[in-house]
Amino acid sequence: QVQLKESGPGLVQPSQTLSLTCTVSGFSLTSNSVHWVRQPPGKGLEWVGAIWSGGSTDYNSALKSRLSISRDTSKSQVFLKMNSLQTEDTAIYFCTRSRGALNYWGQGVMVTVSS
Amino acid sequence: DIVLTQSPALAVSLEQRATISCKTSQNVDNYGISYMHWYQQKPGQQPKLLIYEGSNLASGIPARFSGSGSGTDFTLTIDPVEADDIATYYCQQSKDYPFTFGSGTKLEIK
Repeated sequence: QVQLKESGPGLVQPSQTLSLTCTVSGFSLTSNSVHWVRQPPGKGLEWVGAIWSGGSTDYNSALKSRLSISRDTSKSQVFLKMNSLQTEDTAIYFCTRSRGALNYWGQGVMVTVSS
Repeated sequence: DIVLTQSPALAVSLEQRATISCKTSQNVDNYGISYMHWYQQKPGQQPKLLIYEGSNLASGIPARFSGSGSGTDFTLTIDPVEADDIATYYCQQSKDYPFTFGSGTKLEIK
């Protein structure tokens, strides 16, 4: 069945770079897009960016200068890298598969930006 | 960016109807398809897709949930409300980038 699982460090220091991995199973990255969505504690959902089945990417314009999304199709993994982290980047980061709507979600990984 | 506006909270009695609205700053329809989706999120859990493309029930979702609307005005209806429906509900558009979400409507029991 379709599954997505996020992994990465729980704590990142301010100004450092966040690296997250989304490992998927049950579907192919070359036929589906994967998106990242984040949720600050107690707040709503924010779309971060996406990598499409063909490998192209789209990013939230507010984050674009700090963000990179890539993938390794042989390992069924999608990567998120965000640099110059600030405390406002503290959030749960979800990866999710899209078929238009975001129909499968990982459980999310909590990332805290703090010294 | 397309802005989606939701009321913060809604209180309803069990077994009654809940109507949650979402208004968009721009039309999210294209070629007869409404690129509006609805999600349910319970505390400590990931969001779950309920309704896609305005009115289509996602797999495994009870028929108590329904979606309607077009253009800039959309509605999620839960009828009848059950105790398990206590959650926050988000609308989301996928017509234009960046994808955007509403701020969420928290469903409470009277």
